[in-house]
Amino acid sequence: DTGVSQDPRHKITKRGQNVTFRCDPISEHNRLYWYRQTLGQGPEFLTYFQNEAQLEKSRLLSDRFSAERPKGSFSTLEIQRTEQGDSAMYLCASSFHRGLPYGYTFGSGTRLTVV
Amino acid sequence: QQPVQSPQAVILREGEDAVINCSSSKALYSVHWYRQKHGEAPVFLMILLKGGEQKGHDKISASFNEKKQQSSLYLTASQLSYSGTYFCGTESLADNNAGNMLTFGGGTRLMVKP
Repeated sequence: DTGVSQDPRHKITKRGQNVTFRCDPISEHNRLYWYRQTLGQGPEFLTYFQNEAQLEKSRLLSDRFSAERPKGSFSTLEIQRTEQGDSAMYLCASSFHRGLPYGYTFGSGTRLTVV
Repeated sequence: QQPVQSPQAVILREGEDAVINCSSSKALYSVHWYRQKHGEAPVFLMILLKGGEQKGHDKISASFNEKKQQSSLYLTASQLSYSGTYFCGTESLADNNAGNMLTFGGGTRLMVKP
């Protein structure tokens, strides 16, 4: 069990560019979540997958954001036409869910800076 | 609507106790507690389910008052390693059908000094 991996750890991009982040969850986990965290705040829910199905998406998420989880394995989060307000830490988490809820295992995150 | 945590920050001497509270306006199914150290990912501490249970984890324990939709995290005989920001994450009964999606509070910054 190598934990949840995220890549890259840091990304600096110019406003208007597209960026893509990758998350590799714990292989036994069937749920994968994306959260965004800004300095001094708690993580804010973006979207989640059960296996390959995207089951929930935050109403706060603009259509510039899209996430995929092909074949229920790794996931990607893409932000198109980045804005300065997108600067944040993007956290991926996974959990195993069958009936009862379990705790999340978070990855180390991707810190995005839009200049 | 995110849960409200109190206090926002607390400073302790090693060996002292602390209580962190988490309050929601929604009927809750579960409450999670996480600790995040600076520059690191949040780490899961424990989960409490609807039913008003109390859990313990070494010198860290938590309770869940279902009637008040409140949870408290108790840190006893604090150690330097307890320093960090503590977040509660709540899953409302309505969200339970959506499955385990958490709404996090704003966090409580805890500093333990020697």
